[in-house]
Amino acid sequence: DTAVSQTPKYLVTQMGNDKSIKCEQNLGHDTMYWYKQDSKKFLKIMFSYNNKELIINETVPNRFSPKSPDKAHLNLHINSLELGDSAVYFCASSLRARSGANVLTFGAGSRLTVL
Amino acid sequence: GDSVTQMEGPVTLSEEAFLTINCTYTATGYPSLFWYVQYPGEGLQLLLKATKADDKGSNKGFEATYRKETTSFHLEKGSVQVSDSAVYFCALSDRAAGNKLTFGGGTRVLVKP
Repeated sequence: DTAVSQTPKYLVTQMGNDKSIKCEQNLGHDTMYWYKQDSKKFLKIMFSYNNKELIINETVPNRFSPKSPDKAHLNLHINSLELGDSAVYFCASSLRARSGANVLTFGAGSRLTVL
Repeated sequence: GDSVTQMEGPVTLSEEAFLTINCTYTATGYPSLFWYVQYPGEGLQLLLKATKADDKGSNKGFEATYRKETTSFHLEKGSVQVSDSAVYFCALSDRAAGNKLTFGGGTRVLVKP
Protein backbone atom coordinates (compact mmCIF):
# COMPACT_ATOMS: atom_id res chain seq x y z
CA ASP A 1 0.00 0.00 0.00
CA THR A 2 1.37 3.38 -0.99
CA ALA A 3 1.65 5.66 2.04
CA VAL A 4 1.55 8.99 0.18
CA SER A 5 0.19 8.79 -3.33
CA GLN A 6 -0.07 11.61 -5.78
CA THR A 7 -1.58 11.76 -9.25
CA PRO A 8 -0.78 12.26 -11.99
CA LYS A 9 2.87 11.24 -12.03
CA TYR A 10 3.48 13.16 -15.24
CA LEU A 11 1.60 16.14 -16.61
CA VAL A 12 2.37 17.94 -19.87
CA THR A 13 0.26 20.95 -20.73
CA GLN A 14 0.20 24.26 -22.57
CA MET A 15 0.80 27.70 -21.09
CA GLY A 16 -2.38 29.30 -19.83
CA ASN A 17 -4.12 26.05 -18.95
CA ASP A 18 -5.44 25.13 -15.51
CA LYS A 19 -4.40 21.83 -13.93
CA SER A 20 -4.70 19.96 -10.65
CA ILE A 21 -2.51 17.49 -8.79
CA LYS A 22 -4.09 15.26 -6.17
CA CYS A 23 -2.51 13.81 -3.04
CA GLU A 24 -3.73 11.25 -0.54
CA GLN A 25 -2.06 9.73 2.51
CA ASN A 26 -3.13 6.62 4.42
CA LEU A 27 -0.74 7.03 7.35
CA GLY A 28 -3.18 8.73 9.71
CA HIS A 29 -1.04 11.88 9.64
CA ASP A 30 -2.60 15.22 10.50
CA THR A 31 -0.35 17.52 8.47
CA MET A 32 0.22 17.62 4.72
CA TYR A 33 2.53 19.67 2.53
CA TRP A 34 3.30 20.67 -1.02
CA TYR A 35 6.93 21.18 -2.05
CA LYS A 36 8.27 22.34 -5.40
CA GLN A 37 11.55 20.93 -6.71
CA ASP A 38 13.18 22.83 -9.54
CA SER A 39 15.52 21.52 -12.22
CA LYS A 40 18.53 21.99 -9.92
CA LYS A 41 16.87 19.79 -7.28
CA PHE A 42 16.27 22.72 -4.93
CA LEU A 43 13.26 22.02 -2.69
CA LYS A 44 10.98 24.79 -1.51
CA ILE A 45 7.91 24.47 0.66
CA MET A 46 4.76 25.96 -0.80
CA PHE A 47 1.92 25.10 1.59
CA SER A 48 1.15 23.12 4.70
CA TYR A 49 -2.20 22.11 6.15
CA ASN A 50 -2.87 20.74 9.63
CA ASN A 51 -6.27 19.09 10.07
CA LYS A 52 -7.58 20.94 7.00
CA GLU A 53 -6.32 24.30 8.28
CA LEU A 54 -3.70 26.22 6.32
CA ILE A 55 -0.64 26.74 8.53
CA ILE A 56 2.15 27.52 6.09
CA ASN A 57 1.67 29.65 3.01
CA GLU A 58 5.00 30.68 1.55
CA THR A 59 5.44 33.35 -1.08
CA VAL A 60 3.64 31.55 -3.87
CA PRO A 61 1.68 33.20 -6.71
CA ASN A 62 -2.04 33.18 -6.03
CA ARG A 63 -2.46 31.14 -9.21
CA PHE A 64 -1.63 28.23 -6.90
CA SER A 65 -4.52 27.21 -4.67
CA PRO A 66 -4.36 24.26 -2.28
CA LYS A 67 -7.49 22.53 -1.06
CA SER A 68 -7.78 20.04 1.77
CA PRO A 69 -11.20 18.37 1.86
CA ASP A 70 -10.10 16.24 4.82
CA LYS A 71 -6.87 15.57 6.65
CA ALA A 72 -6.00 12.65 4.35
CA HIS A 73 -6.13 14.71 1.16
CA LEU A 74 -4.38 17.82 -0.08
CA ASN A 75 -4.87 18.85 -3.69
CA LEU A 76 -3.04 21.55 -5.61
CA HIS A 77 -4.77 23.54 -8.32
CA ILE A 78 -2.77 25.78 -10.63
CA ASN A 79 -4.42 28.42 -12.82
CA SER A 80 -2.99 30.07 -15.92
CA LEU A 81 0.11 27.90 -16.05
CA GLU A 82 3.43 29.55 -16.94
CA LEU A 83 6.69 28.13 -18.24
CA GLY A 84 8.31 28.73 -14.85
CA ASP A 85 5.82 26.41 -13.19
CA SER A 86 7.58 23.45 -14.79
CA ALA A 87 8.98 21.42 -11.90
CA VAL A 88 8.43 18.31 -9.84
CA TYR A 89 5.80 18.83 -7.15
CA PHE A 90 6.05 16.66 -4.05
CA CYS A 91 3.31 16.01 -1.58
CA ALA A 92 4.30 14.99 1.95
CA SER A 93 2.65 14.26 5.27
CA SER A 94 3.62 14.07 8.93
CA LEU A 95 2.29 13.92 12.46
CA ARG A 96 2.65 17.41 13.84
CA ALA A 97 5.24 17.01 16.58
CA ARG A 98 5.34 19.04 19.76
CA SER A 99 9.10 18.89 19.53
CA GLY A 100 10.97 19.93 16.41
CA ALA A 101 11.44 16.37 15.16
CA ASN A 102 9.01 16.71 12.30
CA VAL A 103 9.56 13.63 10.09
CA LEU A 104 7.94 13.86 6.67
CA THR A 105 6.86 11.03 4.38
CA PHE A 106 7.01 12.03 0.73
CA GLY A 107 5.09 10.95 -2.32
CA ALA A 108 6.88 9.95 -5.51
CA GLY A 109 6.37 13.35 -7.13
CA SER A 110 4.39 14.79 -10.03
CA ARG A 111 6.46 16.13 -12.89
CA LEU A 112 4.74 19.11 -14.51
CA THR A 113 5.97 20.31 -17.90
CA VAL A 114 4.51 23.52 -19.30
CA LEU A 115 5.05 24.06 -23.04
CA GLY B 1 15.27 32.93 9.19
CA ASP B 2 16.36 29.32 9.23
CA SER B 3 18.68 28.07 6.53
CA VAL B 4 20.72 25.01 5.60
CA THR B 5 23.89 25.03 3.53
CA GLN B 6 25.41 21.88 2.11
CA MET B 7 28.26 21.25 -0.24
CA GLU B 8 27.45 21.41 -3.90
CA GLY B 9 27.84 18.34 -6.00
CA PRO B 10 28.14 16.31 -7.91
CA VAL B 11 30.38 14.13 -5.81
CA THR B 12 31.82 11.23 -7.80
CA LEU B 13 33.37 8.33 -5.94
CA SER B 14 34.55 4.81 -6.56
CA GLU B 15 32.89 1.91 -4.81
CA GLU B 16 34.17 1.36 -1.24
CA ALA B 17 35.42 4.94 -0.98
CA PHE B 18 34.72 7.14 2.05
CA LEU B 19 31.94 9.69 1.65
CA THR B 20 31.52 12.97 3.50
CA ILE B 21 28.86 15.57 2.72
CA ASN B 22 29.16 18.77 4.72
CA CYS B 23 26.09 20.49 6.13
CA THR B 24 25.84 23.62 8.28
CA TYR B 25 22.76 25.41 9.50
CA THR B 26 21.41 28.60 11.03
CA ALA B 27 18.29 28.47 13.14
CA THR B 28 16.27 30.74 15.40
CA GLY B 29 15.64 28.11 18.02
CA TYR B 30 17.01 24.67 18.82
CA PRO B 31 16.33 22.60 15.73
CA SER B 32 16.13 18.92 14.96
CA LEU B 33 18.37 17.87 12.09
CA PHE B 34 17.79 15.37 9.30
CA TRP B 35 19.30 13.78 6.25
CA TYR B 36 16.91 12.76 3.49
CA VAL B 37 17.88 10.76 0.39
CA GLN B 38 16.27 10.89 -3.04
CA TYR B 39 16.97 7.97 -5.36
CA PRO B 40 16.50 8.54 -9.11
CA GLY B 41 12.85 8.98 -10.04
CA GLU B 42 11.62 8.73 -6.46
CA GLY B 43 10.49 10.96 -3.63
CA LEU B 44 12.59 11.80 -0.61
CA GLN B 45 13.08 9.28 2.19
CA LEU B 46 14.30 9.93 5.69
CA LEU B 47 17.83 8.56 6.08
CA LEU B 48 18.61 9.60 9.65
CA LYS B 49 17.91 12.26 12.23
CA ALA B 50 19.20 13.80 15.46
CA THR B 51 17.15 15.86 17.86
CA LYS B 52 19.69 17.29 20.30
CA ALA B 53 23.33 18.27 20.55
CA ASP B 54 25.88 15.42 20.37
CA ASP B 55 23.21 12.96 19.19
CA LYS B 56 24.41 10.66 16.43
CA GLY B 57 21.92 9.53 13.81
CA SER B 58 22.74 6.38 11.87
CA ASN B 59 21.15 4.18 9.23
CA LYS B 60 22.33 1.94 6.38
CA GLY B 61 25.97 2.60 7.27
CA PHE B 62 25.51 6.37 7.19
CA GLU B 63 26.19 8.51 10.26
CA ALA B 64 25.86 12.16 11.22
CA THR B 65 26.50 13.88 14.56
CA TYR B 66 24.64 16.99 15.73
CA ARG B 67 27.37 19.54 16.52
CA LYS B 68 25.82 22.59 18.16
CA GLU B 69 29.14 24.38 18.66
CA THR B 70 29.87 24.32 14.93
CA THR B 71 26.20 24.27 13.81
CA SER B 72 26.97 21.29 11.62
CA PHE B 73 25.52 17.88 10.76
CA HIS B 74 27.95 16.30 8.31
CA LEU B 75 26.97 13.00 6.69
CA GLU B 76 29.55 10.20 6.47
CA LYS B 77 29.75 6.65 5.19
CA GLY B 78 32.84 4.56 5.40
CA SER B 79 32.41 2.42 2.28
CA VAL B 80 29.93 3.46 -0.39
CA GLN B 81 28.18 1.19 -2.86
CA VAL B 82 26.83 1.85 -6.33
CA SER B 83 23.34 1.69 -4.81
CA ASP B 84 24.16 4.78 -2.70
CA SER B 85 24.06 6.93 -5.84
CA ALA B 86 21.37 9.49 -5.08
CA VAL B 87 20.76 13.10 -4.08
CA TYR B 88 21.22 13.76 -0.36
CA PHE B 89 19.41 16.59 1.42
CA CYS B 90 20.28 18.04 4.80
CA ALA B 91 17.30 19.60 6.59
CA LEU B 92 16.23 21.15 9.85
CA SER B 93 12.95 21.43 11.69
CA ASP B 94 12.66 24.29 14.13
CA ARG B 95 9.82 24.50 16.64
CA ALA B 96 10.40 28.27 16.81
CA ALA B 97 9.49 28.38 13.11
CA GLY B 98 6.36 26.27 13.44
CA ASN B 99 8.18 22.98 12.82
CA LYS B 100 8.63 23.86 9.17
CA LEU B 101 11.18 21.58 7.48
CA THR B 102 13.86 23.63 5.71
CA PHE B 103 16.08 21.86 3.18
CA GLY B 104 19.56 22.47 1.91
CA GLY B 105 20.18 22.56 -1.82
CA GLY B 106 20.94 18.84 -2.14
CA THR B 107 24.17 17.05 -3.06
CA ARG B 108 24.22 14.57 -5.91
CA VAL B 109 26.44 11.55 -5.24
CA LEU B 110 27.51 9.21 -8.00
CA VAL B 111 29.27 6.00 -7.07
CA LYS B 112 31.08 4.20 -9.87
CA PRO B 113 31.92 0.48 -9.83
